[in-house]
Amino acid sequence: AQSVAQPEDQVNVAEGNPLTVKCTYSVSGNPYLFWYVQYPNRGLQFLLKYITGDNLVKGSYGFEAEFNKSQTSFHLKKPSALVSDSALYFCAVRTTSGTYKYIFGTGTRLKVLA
Amino acid sequence: NAGVTQTPKFRILKIGQSMTLQCTQDMNHNYMYWYRQDPGMGLKLIYYSVGAGITDKGEVPNGYNVSRSTTEDFPLRLELAAPSQTSVYFCASSYSSSGTGELFFGEGSRLTVL
Repeated sequence: AQSVAQPEDQVNVAEGNPLTVKCTYSVSGNPYLFWYVQYPNRGLQFLLKYITGDNLVKGSYGFEAEFNKSQTSFHLKKPSALVSDSALYFCAVRTTSGTYKYIFGTGTRLKVLA
Repeated sequence: NAGVTQTPKFRILKIGQSMTLQCTQDMNHNYMYWYRQDPGMGLKLIYYSVGAGITDKGEVPNGYNVSRSTTEDFPLRLELAAPSQTSVYFCASSYSSSGTGELFFGEGSRLTVL
C-alpha cells in the first residue's frame, strides 16, 4: 500500500536556527513529492515539489527539500527559522502511474521559538 | 482570480439532516478533490473527479455523494449527517494531467454534527 509518514508530530526550533521536518514515503513507481503548509483556520498552501531532476528543490519562503531515493525520503529544510514559519506542514506523494490521488502524511506542527 | 471557493465556512447540523458543501474554481482545472481533515489524522480523500461527468471514490466515501456537471463546480453532499462527519472539509483542484501539478485548496468548511 502507498503511504507517507511524518514521524514527528511536533518540531520545536529556536528562531535563527536551521529546521528540518521529516517525510518518508512508500509508493510503487516513481513518486512526485510535495510539501504544503497550513496556517490556523486556513487551507493548505503549496510550498514546493519534486518531479524529476535535481534532488535539491527550492520553494517558497526560503524553504527547500532534498529528495533521497535510496532512503525514500523528502525532508523539508530551512537554513534559518522565523517565528512566522510556525504552522502545520504536510508532505504528500502522487505516483506516476495509476490513479490521480495525492496521499498526505499526518502533518508536523512546527513551532519556532523567539 | 478567486481560486478555489468553498461555502459555507461554518455549519452546524443535527443528526440525520442533509446538506451540500459547495466548491467552485475559476482556474479551469480538470481535477478536483474533496478531503476531510481530522486532528492528528492528516487529510483523507473522500471523492475526486478528473473532469466534468467523471467522479470516483477516495478513501472515505461512505455517507457522502458528489457530482460534477461543470468544470468549475464540485459539490459534496452529506446525507443523513452523523457525529462522525464532524470535521473540516477542504476542496482542492489541480491542473496537470501528468500528475505533476500541485493542489490548490479552498479555505475549508468546518462542519459540526450534533
